[in-house]
Amino acid sequence: QVQLQESGPGLVKPSETLSLTCAVSGYSISSGYYWGWIRQPPGKGLEWIGSIYHSGSTYYNPSLKSRVTISVDTSKNQFSLKLSSVTAADTAVYYCARLSGVAAAVYFQHWGQGTLVTVSS
Amino acid sequence: SYVLTQPPSVSVAPGQTARITCGGNNIGSKSVHWYQQKPGQAPVLVVYDDSDRPSGIPERFSGSNSGNTATLTISRVEAGDEADYYCQVWDSSSDRNVFGTGTKVTVL
Repeated sequence: QVQLQESGPGLVKPSETLSLTCAVSGYSISSGYYWGWIRQPPGKGLEWIGSIYHSGSTYYNPSLKSRVTISVDTSKNQFSLKLSSVTAADTAVYYCARLSGVAAAVYFQHWGQGTLVTVSS
Repeated sequence: SYVLTQPPSVSVAPGQTARITCGGNNIGSKSVHWYQQKPGQAPVLVVYDDSDRPSGIPERFSGSNSGNTATLTISRVEAGDEADYYCQVWDSSSDRNVFGTGTKVTVL
């Protein structure tokens, strides 16, 4: 069974870079599938941040694209998120997930438990 | 950008049927997926590709999609179904995943 676990600082200062890692167990990232990040501000809905294939091919939410970098480390079986120039609006629970499906029918089949990141000085 | 609109809330008595809609321009041409999220927990996939259920999801959960509206139907609603529900599609025109606004289902 695929398991995902987010890790990283729970508190980030405004204007700094948010960095999170998602460790994957039960499946080798290099075997395939897209892997993604989703966030949820407190009391609000879900927002897709971006996704990455094991080869490194990426898709980003256009609204965040200028600040987001998602990378994959197949040797450690993990993938990472960097979000630069954060503000209080970036305070959210951040989830990592494994996507399934094909082409225009992809969906988030497996999710991590989520990690709360607060942006505050 | 592509927008998915859901009613903020749906209330249903135990044993009755809850229907949650997800509106989007020509959504019937897309594959729609649905997630259930209980307080303090990560979302769980309950329906994918409009009407398929992952293993372990009760048959009480079903989906349909046509025209400008997709629908998640929960039959014989139980107290444990109380949660937020989100629809999701891939928008090929902008290469982005889009989530609906979310619906809170309350079991009376």
